[in-house]
Amino acid sequence: DAGVTQSPTHLIKTRGQQVTLRCSPISGHKSVSWYQQVLGQGPQFIFQYYEKEERGRGNFPDRFSARQFPNYSSELNVNALLLGDSALYLCASISTLNYGYTFGSGTRLTVV
Amino acid sequence: AQSVTQLDSQVPVFEEAPVELRCNYSSSVSVYLFWYVQYPNQGLQLLLKYLSGSTLVKGINGFEAEFNKSQTSFHLRKPSVHISDTAEYFCAVTRRTYYGQNFVFGPGTRLSVLP
Repeated sequence: DAGVTQSPTHLIKTRGQQVTLRCSPISGHKSVSWYQQVLGQGPQFIFQYYEKEERGRGNFPDRFSARQFPNYSSELNVNALLLGDSALYLCASISTLNYGYTFGSGTRLTVV
Repeated sequence: AQSVTQLDSQVPVFEEAPVELRCNYSSSVSVYLFWYVQYPNQGLQLLLKYLSGSTLVKGINGFEAEFNKSQTSFHLRKPSVHISDTAEYFCAVTRRTYYGQNFVFGPGTRLSVLP
């Protein structure tokens, strides 16, 4: 089985731009979560989606949004990028059978 | 709300020596506890988890951790480390919800194994 797929692996954006990050969960998993990991810190929870609906939101501004598609893949959107948005963005695929949690390798976003 | 403290930001240790990485948490409700490892330029890999039962939990790569409810601690140990254990280690807590847990992570401890 394929693991959690995130794309792109790296990207560079300019302040004020918008970015979309993508995540494909493990086949059969209907829930995904997004985390932001700033360099030198632990990951912070951004969103959780289950069956295409938002089921949890962390303490992030409205510039951050996400959605989940019928095939359970997900996109994270960040508008009006700030330098402080530079981070590794991790997607986690969640099994609601055993609550197993599998992280992808992440997307490294650099805002310049 | 939950929070996690990892008192040591960096831990250098010689190869084949024992190591302990400390984790303390605070929560007003019962939580589940996890340790994750992150190698450079990679995502997070689960080392071990405590959900219930025996307070001594064994994980992958020879790591183990002990849950101490009275001291709200979940320290990670390995009796003999290898160079390949060099990585960042994160302690995390969560409450289980119907849709699956969402984690509160500590700031991480960088383990450097020296030859």
